[in-house]
Amino acid sequence: NAGVTQTPKFQVLKTGQSMTLQCAQDMNHEYMSWYRQDPGMGLRLIHYSVGAGITDQGEVPNGYNVSRSTTEDFPLRLLSAAPSQTSVYFCASSFDRGLGEAFFGQGTRLTVV
Amino acid sequence: GQQLNQSPQSMFIQEGEDVSMNCTSSSIFNTWLWYKQDPGEGPVLLIALYKAGELTSNGRLTAQFGITRKDSFLNISASIPSDVGIYFCAGFIQGAQKLVFGQGTRLTINP
Repeated sequence: NAGVTQTPKFQVLKTGQSMTLQCAQDMNHEYMSWYRQDPGMGLRLIHYSVGAGITDQGEVPNGYNVSRSTTEDFPLRLLSAAPSQTSVYFCASSFDRGLGEAFFGQGTRLTVV
Repeated sequence: GQQLNQSPQSMFIQEGEDVSMNCTSSSIFNTWLWYKQDPGEGPVLLIALYKAGELTSNGRLTAQFGITRKDSFLNISASIPSDVGIYFCAGFIQGAQKLVFGQGTRLTINP
């Protein structure tokens, strides 16, 4: 049972480039979310999805897009990378959106130069 | 928006000591959760609390859901080297469908 799998683990982008961070879960969880982690700021919610075909914005959505075409996958797209998007990105999934218990992937460390 | 204030930000202790950290908020939460993050890894859930006043243990860890639903604490007894890491509190608001995280407590243990 792989849990939540994120790829890639590391990425360096040039300013203005676009890319997609992949996230897949094999636990049949309905609820998935993306966070970014910056030093001293904990984790901040970027976007989330309560089920296939449904997405919504979190606390810091600007510069990011998401889609949820299947229950398993929840990719995060950076439209035009900026140095301010240098961060560690975590994908998470929950089996019951009413409880908030989230399982996290190992993270993607992104550097924008 | 909702904010969680977690303290202390860092702790330096001797192996075998007990540890206490807490989170407070001006908002009411339905669920309080405590996570631990090891270097290079994602956070892992330690304890989840669902009712005001609830006291829950997981081995050497004990956590409580404050009676006002605006705070929570985590205690670690008899610390060991593998307790090193960053501990995060998180609050969940059912209607808002999202987790709000504290800033984290970095625990360092001197052997």
